[in-house]
Amino acid sequence: QVQLVQSGAEVKKPGASMKVSCKASGYSLTNYYINWVRQATGQGLEWMGWMNPKNGNTGFTQKFQGRVTMTRNTSISTVYMELSSLKSEDTAVYYCARGPTSNWYDYWGQGTLVIVSS
Amino acid sequence: QSALTQPRSVSGSPGQSVTISCTGTSSDVGGYTYVSWYQQHPGKAPKLMIYDVTKRPSGVPGRFSGSKSGITASLTISGLQADDEADYYCCSYAGSYTYVFGTGTKVTVL
Repeated sequence: QVQLVQSGAEVKKPGASMKVSCKASGYSLTNYYINWVRQATGQGLEWMGWMNPKNGNTGFTQKFQGRVTMTRNTSISTVYMELSSLKSEDTAVYYCARGPTSNWYDYWGQGTLVIVSS
Repeated sequence: QSALTQPRSVSGSPGQSVTISCTGTSSDVGGYTYVSWYQQHPGKAPKLMIYDVTKRPSGVPGRFSGSKSGITASLTISGLQADDEADYYCCSYAGSYTYVFGTGTKVTVL
């Protein structure tokens, strides 16, 4: 069955970087987009960006311009999302989500809690 | 981009229908047919309920339906059930390969 398994929770200091992995199984990684969505505690969903694992193309909201990097390792069916220059406001659960395009997301990872605190 | 506007909460009794609105602009909801809806139970990952404004993924009950008029998309839940109590989010394409979520609506089953 389709599964997206994300890396475990992290605690980071302000100014540091975080890198979350999203390992796909049950389907071919390169046939679907991977999108990233985050949710601060008690808050709504926030769309961050997408990657096409077939060619490595990415797109992300201007809010994260210059701070976010998305990469993939197709040999192990894994996509990575790295966010740099972390601030306390980046404390959130980060989700990866699959979609046949970047327009909608049919399978989601379990979420990765990242806490940014000094 | 600003988040799409949803009512903070809606409620209904079992068996009733509720409709959640999702208001954007001509640059997102009003400009494209790429609106999707997600259900999220507490502590869980979101679940796709509607995509491309009106399409329902396999496994999602027919009680859930989507529509759009102008800059406002809507999700209607008919025959409300206890398990429908959750948060619901709309999401729309916003141009330039970016997307935006709604502010979220808490559905309460009375």
